[in-house]
Amino acid sequence: KAGVTQTPRYLIKTRGQQVTLSCSPISGHRSVSWYQQTPGQGLQFLFEYFSETQRNKGNFPGRFSGRQFSNSRSEMNVSTLELGDSALYLCASSFSLAIYEQYFGPGTRLTVT
Amino acid sequence: DAKTTQPNSMESNEEEPVHLPCNHSTISGTDYIHWYRQLPSQGPEYVIHGLTSNVNNRMASLAIAEDRKSSTLILHRATLRDAAVYYCILRRQGAQKLVFGQGTRLTINP
Repeated sequence: KAGVTQTPRYLIKTRGQQVTLSCSPISGHRSVSWYQQTPGQGLQFLFEYFSETQRNKGNFPGRFSGRQFSNSRSEMNVSTLELGDSALYLCASSFSLAIYEQYFGPGTRLTVT
Repeated sequence: DAKTTQPNSMESNEEEPVHLPCNHSTISGTDYIHWYRQLPSQGPEYVIHGLTSNVNNRMASLAIAEDRKSSTLILHRATLRDAAVYYCILRRQGAQKLVFGQGTRLTINP
């Protein structure tokens, strides 16, 4: 069974640009969550999606947005990039809300210059 | 979000048991205790979870205090591959959101 895949794995962008990151959950999984990991703040929750609906959102500015498609794939978008957005962005999937294991992808390393 | 407290780092020797403590004095009745670990250059990996009773799986055991205000993750025979940051997380029933603290960096000596 293939794991959670995230594309691209590495990305370099310039301040002010926007970026879209993609996450494909494990086949059959309907729940997708996104996290940001930085050396200073650690792992922080961004969003949670289930059946195309955002169920929860972390404490991030409106420049961070996301969506989930009918095939459970998810994307997150960051507009007007700032240097502080440089981070590892991780996606996690689980079968349903009642299942307790979340499976994380390898992450997308975003560098903003 | 209820908070957990873990030691910043711990060290152990290969093939010895490791006990990783976690305090969660503000835990509520609907909070499950989860443990994840993150190996270098990888995303977090689920280890184990429990509510009230002690739990065992192929990776580890979870011992939960009777008042649920603390728990201990037990690795029965540590290997070098167990060197990672271990996170103790309280997760509300029905919610996917994981609130990660700073975790415990576990070093295993050969």
